[in-house]
Amino acid sequence: QQQVKQSPQSLIVQKGGISIINCAYENTAFDYFPWYQQFPGKGPALLIAIRPDVSEKKEGRFTISFNKSAKQFSLHIMDSQPGDSATYFCAASMTIGNNDMRFGAGTRLTVKP
Amino acid sequence: EAGVAQSPRYKIIEKRQSVAFWCNPISGHATLYWYQQILGQGPKLLIQFQNNGVVDDSQLPKDRFSAERLKGVDSTLKIQPAKLEDSAVYLCASSLAGGAVLFFGQGTRLTVV
Repeated sequence: QQQVKQSPQSLIVQKGGISIINCAYENTAFDYFPWYQQFPGKGPALLIAIRPDVSEKKEGRFTISFNKSAKQFSLHIMDSQPGDSATYFCAASMTIGNNDMRFGAGTRLTVKP
Repeated sequence: EAGVAQSPRYKIIEKRQSVAFWCNPISGHATLYWYQQILGQGPKLLIQFQNNGVVDDSQLPKDRFSAERLKGVDSTLKIQPAKLEDSAVYLCASSLAGGAVLFFGQGTRLTVV
């Protein structure tokens, strides 16, 4: 079922550093690419999302970079903080139709103080 | 605004027993999803409802899993009989009809022993 491949599996970053998580997708019909953040014992929560008509979207310290031709997108977390320590999932869906959202395997981010 | 409610939070059962999970979506959300999240993996869609009709159940192991959404609001997911490999977190999510953003509940952690 995996149509979205995510890397790395885990990431350790020092406080103030940049965290980068990458995803690649296969289905060119996907038109919505969100990132979800999940803390232990909680459900995933939407962090930021992008549509393929733009190459970058920034919200505060979080930026999505999107490369349509390469079918890749990435999450950059600037000035990473210990409170950002969580598991991050990229996802992709076709909003026209079923909106069946496919998730990557997740990246466990640890930000060290 | 109340979020997606799920119960129970935790459940431990023996293999071959049956179990049921309950989900109450956000008010007004026509679309409801059940996801299975195995430890260390991303959520995998089991079934998607639009109001009280099934949109996609292609990934649901129908020999042991069943789900219903009576009256287009609450939903229950049942496993009968459970297997060891069913140990996972079962996440319920909801969205507006045609909406791209999924809102997740906290999940039910199932352990089959």
